[in-house]
Amino acid sequence: ETGVTQTPRHLVMGMTNKKSLKCEQHLGHNAMYWYKQSAKKPLELMFVYSLEERVENNSVPSRFSPECPNSSHLFLHLHTLQPEDSALYLCASSQVREGGADTQYFGPGTRLTVL
Amino acid sequence: GQNIDQPTEMTATEGAIVQINCTYQTSGFNGLFWYQQHAGEAPTFLSYNVLDGLEEKGRFSSFLSRSKGYSYLLLKELQMKDSASYLCAVRDGDYKLSFGAGTTVTVRA
Repeated sequence: ETGVTQTPRHLVMGMTNKKSLKCEQHLGHNAMYWYKQSAKKPLELMFVYSLEERVENNSVPSRFSPECPNSSHLFLHLHTLQPEDSALYLCASSQVREGGADTQYFGPGTRLTVL
Repeated sequence: GQNIDQPTEMTATEGAIVQINCTYQTSGFNGLFWYQQHAGEAPTFLSYNVLDGLEEKGRFSSFLSRSKGYSYLLLKELQMKDSASYLCAVRDGDYKLSFGAGTTVTVRA
């Protein structure tokens, strides 16, 4: 399944580093999402972009900064992270129609470790 | 807030049937999804229910009762490859999915 790809798959960074996560969807969808998945905890929605406009920011700290330059690409810029930010970061996409969004399809995730 | 509960772990034998329950209390309801996630991999879509009743897809079926805030995922004729985490998610608006913590199913020979 290569509908949604994410790079890098693994990332180790120090608390003072700046890095970016990249997501690309090849499904022709018009909405993209960032989720955080920590061990034994539910997936947490971070950001939603629909038609390249941010429509949801789920009280995420400013050290996470999303960017959606077009409907196929989504970035998550990371700066001055904390060890508790270590998690699997998942990207998803879906088609938004009148009345709501269709099924979300996920990428394989980036396993982030903050030292 | 949203509250979605599912068992943490279940174990079953190859060839058997397992039922994973999910109960939810959410501010709104616009559909319930089940995803399968193997360790280290992306969640993959299994089923979607928005109306009450049973949806069947091969060996997997999903049931919804909106009045009870309840769903289950039924896995039949279990295979070793079905060992995975199963995620229940409720959509309460246009976009937002709220997830349960997932149920880890272990299939034993």
